[in-house]
Amino acid sequence: QVQLVQSGAEVKKPGASVKVSCKASGYTFTTFSIHWVRQAPGQRLEWLAWINAGNGNTKCSQNFQGRVTITSDTSATTAYMELSSLSSEDTAVYYCAREWGISHFDYWGQGSLVTVSS
Amino acid sequence: QSALTQPASVSGSPGQSITISCTGTSSDVGNYKYVSWYQQHPGKAPKLMIYEVSNRPSGIPDRFSGSKSGNTASLTISGLQAEDEADYYCSSYTTSSTRVFGEGTKLTVL
Repeated sequence: QVQLVQSGAEVKKPGASVKVSCKASGYTFTTFSIHWVRQAPGQRLEWLAWINAGNGNTKCSQNFQGRVTITSDTSATTAYMELSSLSSEDTAVYYCAREWGISHFDYWGQGSLVTVSS
Repeated sequence: QSALTQPASVSGSPGQSITISCTGTSSDVGNYKYVSWYQQHPGKAPKLMIYEVSNRPSGIPDRFSGSKSGNTASLTISGLQAEDEADYYCSSYTTSSTRVFGEGTKLTVL
């Protein structure tokens, strides 16, 4: 069965970076894109970026230009999201999701809580 | 990219029908069939309910339906049940090849 398993919770200081992983299993990793979505406490879903796991092409939201880096390791069937220059506003649950077709996400990771606090 | 506009909350009694709107622009909702809807219960990951405006994934009951007119997409839930109480988000593909989510709507089953 398809599964996306994310890395655990992180606590970071302002100005630091965080790297979240998303381990995929149960399907051919390179056939689907992986997207990253975050949700601050009590707030809406916010789309960050995506990576084509087949060719490594990436695209990110203008809101995160220059701060987010998306990579993947096909041998490990794992995608990564690194966010730099963290502030308290980046405190959120970060989700990875598999894109099935165009722009719909059929499987989601369990979420990784990133807390930014001094 | 601004969030798609959704009502903050809607409510209905068991058995009734409700509709949630999702308004975007000609750069997203209005220009593509790639609108999807997600249900999210507290503390859980979102769940895909509708894709490509009106299609239901396997296992989603036909009480859930979607449509689109111009820059506005809609999710209708008929025969409301207690377990439908959740947050609902729309999402769309955009002309920039990015994705955008709606503001979210809290559905209360009275």
